[in-house]
Amino acid sequence: EIVLTQSPGTLSLSPGERATLSCRASQTITGSLLAWFQQKPGLPPRLLIYGASRRAPGIPDRFSGYGSGTDFTLTISRLEPEDFAVYYCQQFGSSPPFTFGPGTKVDIK
Amino acid sequence: QVQLHQSGPGLVSPSQTLSLACAISGDSFFTDGVAWNWIRQSPSRGLEWLGRTYFRSKWYNEYAESLKSRITINPDTSKNQFSLQLNSVTPEDTAMYYCARGRYSSFDFWGQGTMVTVSS
Repeated sequence: EIVLTQSPGTLSLSPGERATLSCRASQTITGSLLAWFQQKPGLPPRLLIYGASRRAPGIPDRFSGYGSGTDFTLTISRLEPEDFAVYYCQQFGSSPPFTFGPGTKVDIK
Repeated sequence: QVQLHQSGPGLVSPSQTLSLACAISGDSFFTDGVAWNWIRQSPSRGLEWLGRTYFRSKWYNEYAESLKSRITINPDTSKNQFSLQLNSVTPEDTAMYYCARGRYSSFDFWGQGTMVTVSS
């Protein structure tokens, strides 16, 4: 089973600042099949990025993902008020189980 | 637009069976490359993939290893919905349960979630 580690646990930033979130895998993720989700209280996770760098439909271009192998990054170029939430990475390797990271909370400084 | 709507009880007694359904609208089991998943979320376990069902010339089910002895996911093509059954539940199974569509190596559409509490 691939274990995902996210850092930092909490990121305190102001609107307009840049956010950089990290996700590290315990082994290489085949085909860079890594996704990023945003979750707000009381709602299901929302897909932001799949295939490490592809934005899901309707996702603003301030969200970008990159990485390969075991190291992946989600960047939010300029934080908007609605971006303060918890972010999860998730790997979709060649076979189950499809594991999630523990999350990074982005909160208002 | 794909929508998933969950139904089922929010309270289950210990040792009983948890049963949830997920109704699909705007898509079908036979769309190319899709799979239909159950995922749960709790403070202690985080987000946990439970299993999936999909059709590729025949039906396939895959389950998380830790739950294989207790879990069943079944498609119901007549109702365009799929179900989750988890047997012999304990308080450790208390969680928010979600159904989700898997496509292009991501979970792109999610149900609204069902909070299930295991308690007598």
